[in-house]
Amino acid sequence: AQSVSQHNHHVILSEAASLELGCNYSYGGTVNLFWYVQYPGQHLQLLLKYFSGDPLVKGIKGFEAEFIKSKFSFNLRKPSVQWSDTAEYFCAVNWMDSSYKLIFGSGTRLLVRP
Amino acid sequence: NAGVTQTPKFQVLKTGQSMTLQCAQDMNHNSMYWYRQDPGMGLRLIYYSASEGTTDKGEVPNGYNVSRLNKREFSLRLESAAPSQTSVYFCASSPPRGGTGELFFGEGSRLTVL
Repeated sequence: AQSVSQHNHHVILSEAASLELGCNYSYGGTVNLFWYVQYPGQHLQLLLKYFSGDPLVKGIKGFEAEFIKSKFSFNLRKPSVQWSDTAEYFCAVNWMDSSYKLIFGSGTRLLVRP
Repeated sequence: NAGVTQTPKFQVLKTGQSMTLQCAQDMNHNSMYWYRQDPGMGLRLIYYSASEGTTDKGEVPNGYNVSRLNKREFSLRLESAAPSQTSVYFCASSPPRGGTGELFFGEGSRLTVL
């Protein structure tokens, strides 16, 4: 079955700390990969996406993610977080053999302390 | 551009009551989706519509029906609401097949079933 796992449900960091959020998906094949962010009280917004090419993808606000095909992983990173990064982060995967469905992970709540 | 518009934003129902959540997009997207978001469970796909005139079940379709009224509008109906359907509901749309799974979300509809 298609599934997406996010290992960290809650993360608390101080400002300027580095961030890495894990994301794994259940099986291979051709995939499109996404990270979405939901700021408090807002709807989901796209943070970054991977379709093909360079496995290191850069997104908005200094975020980046690395696709490691052999590990079925797409981890999100940021070298130095800010208080404004406090949000919930969702990894999502679109398997190309079921092209209309985007499957989300359970999310990671990030709290950045000033 | 309004993007994806959902109504109502808030609704309280009693068990057994029915209601319809409305969604409209003005981006000329082919595909539309209904997700529910519950704490610790991320977003789960209820139903989706790959194109006008078609609808398909997602991960959690029980207790819901949908109608793709036209290319712009995709409604979600609860025929007999249950407390387990208390959730935040998000409508989303995506471009034609070449959009490869990137979704644009509405602001959400918070439903409470007593």
